[in-house]
Amino acid sequence: NAGVTQTPKFRILKIGQSMTLQCAQDMNHNYMYWYRQDPGMGLKLIYYSVGAGITDKGEVPNGYNVSRSTTEDFPLRLELAAPSQTSVYFCASRDTELQPQHFGDGTRLSIL
Amino acid sequence: TQLLEQSPQFLSIQEGENLTVYCNSSSVFSSLQWYRQEPGEGPVLLVTVVTGGEVKKLKRLTFQFGDARKDSSLHITAAQPGDTGLYLCAGVKAAGNKLTFGGGTRVLVKP
Repeated sequence: NAGVTQTPKFRILKIGQSMTLQCAQDMNHNYMYWYRQDPGMGLKLIYYSVGAGITDKGEVPNGYNVSRSTTEDFPLRLELAAPSQTSVYFCASRDTELQPQHFGDGTRLSIL
Repeated sequence: TQLLEQSPQFLSIQEGENLTVYCNSSSVFSSLQWYRQEPGEGPVLLVTVVTGGEVKKLKRLTFQFGDARKDSSLHITAAQPGDTGLYLCAGVKAAGNKLTFGGGTRVLVKP
């Protein structure tokens, strides 16, 4: 059971570079989410999607973009990396409102 | 200002002691979830509470949802080193698609 798979696990970027964080789930969940977690803190929602072709902003969307062309995949794009985006990024998916969110193991991103 | 405030932020206790973590808000939630997160991993769900006043037990863990559905608590009895981790509460508002997370409580249980 793969669940939610995030790649890469670690990445170091230079200021101004761009990259895409990949997220894939094999549970046929409609709802998918991207969070960032700063050291010792809770999770802040960046973007979310309620189904293929539908995305919406969360609390902290600035500097990020997402797309949802398939049910399985929900990539997160950083266009111009900034030091403030250094964080651990988690992708999650769920089935219905009362069902738990299933989290990936995270992508640790450092921007120098 | 966080919508869900967790307290304390950090708790260090000896094995065998009890502890309580609080999750408070001025907003009403239709349901509230508690997660535990270990270093290098994503959060894992412990419990979901949906009814005001509800109490759920999971072995040595007791979860309570406030009568007004604005707050919750997690009580651990006779804590063990394996209970060490970051505990996160997260709430869903009525007809909402999003979870709002608290800032987390880091628990360290020393042997």
